[in-house]
Formats: sequence, C-alpha cells, structure tokens
Amino acid sequence: QQQVKQSPQSLIVQKGGISIINCAYENTAFDYFPWYQQFPGKGPALLIAIRPDVSEKKEGRFTISFNKSAKQFSLHIMDSQPGDSATYFCAASIGGNDYKLSFGAGTTVTVRA
Amino acid sequence: DAGVIQSPRHEVTEMGQEVTLRCKPISGHNSLFWYRQTMMRGLELLIYFNNNVPIDDSGMPEDRFSAKMPNASFSTLKIQPSEPRDSAVYFCASSPTESGGGQYFGPGTRLLVL
Repeated sequence: QQQVKQSPQSLIVQKGGISIINCAYENTAFDYFPWYQQFPGKGPALLIAIRPDVSEKKEGRFTISFNKSAKQFSLHIMDSQPGDSATYFCAASIGGNDYKLSFGAGTTVTVRA
Repeated sequence: DAGVIQSPRHEVTEMGQEVTLRCKPISGHNSLFWYRQTMMRGLELLIYFNNNVPIDDSGMPEDRFSAKMPNASFSTLKIQPSEPRDSAVYFCASSPTESGGGQYFGPGTRLLVL
C-alpha cells in the first residue's frame, strides 16, 4: 500500500485559477517531501521540494505548504496556465534525501484556456 | 547535455521471452534508480545503485527480475521469463548525490508482454 496518500486523483481548473493538490503521510520518519511533474510520454521531473523545518516554500507560481502536526503537505499552483497541464506526484523519503522515495498515486491537472 | 538515455523506448514481446532494458545515466551522477509505473500501482522503486553497487533491491518483485550496473555509464534491467503482468512503463533515473538534488528521469521504456 502507498505510504503517501494523494488527492484528488484529477482536477480541472480554468486558466488563471489556483490548483491545489493534497498529500498525507503516516510515517513520522519522513523528512523530505518533493513534488514531481510528469508530462505525457515523459519521465517525472523534480518541481519543488521541502523539508519539515519550514512550513512553506515558494518557487515562482508553485508553493508547497507543510503541516507537520497534521502530517500533510500540499502543492498550490497559482495563476494556472495550460502548460501546467500534467500529472503531479508528491513523494516522501527518510534521511533528508531523495534516495528511496515513496510516491503518491498522482494527480492529473488539466488547465482549460 | 544529454539526459538519462533509455532503450528501447517501446518493447513488445511474448510471454516467456527474456526482456532487457538499458539505461545510460547522466555523466557524473553516482546514483541510479529503476522504477516501474502502472495505473494500478503507480510509481514503484525497484532497485537503487550507488557508485555501481546495488544498495536496495527490496522493490524487485520476483526472482524473474534482475538488474546490473557494470560501470558508471550503463545499467540493465532484465526480466526472464516475462509475464503479461510485467507490462508497464519502466523508468531509469539518476541523481548526482543522495542529498536532495532531485532524481533525473529518463523517457521510459513502455513494455507490453503478450
């Protein structure tokens, strides 16, 4: 079974809107939380990552929010663009690195123009 | 810079045949990962190498699967004999370090076992 639960499975957002993807975990030993973006026919690519010593990290239009007590983290895509249409995977690992990542099931985001 | 290179990109084979998937990691990366992606099970880590040495193969599903990394620029994933349930996209990824530098994925090999 997956150690990281991701929701929703898919979402549709209008251009300019906000996309929000949520992930939850149980293993408190996890200490590194990356997000990967995958376009059809391509391999996943690292988008942004966070460690539990901060509650938020922002890179351009992408923001990770992290709630350690709730064991949840989320990805927010601000001002969503059609080019953001992809599948997004959250992941978690132990040891502060991306050696053995446990991936969520993925969220397919469709941005309508 | 060339990214991670995988071959073949597509493979169709019959049940019972041997399948060999190949990967060339990014030069200078010392960690290499093999993943399997299916709709049912998502993205699963099969095996991880560091400096050409297998570190963790706990994700390898069965003895029918084996992986080697004879040198820093080449790795293979072999399935013998193949079964229809092995049909999936297999990704190879490499990483410069273990410390959060991100994994760089190849384009994947789409395997169909009939």
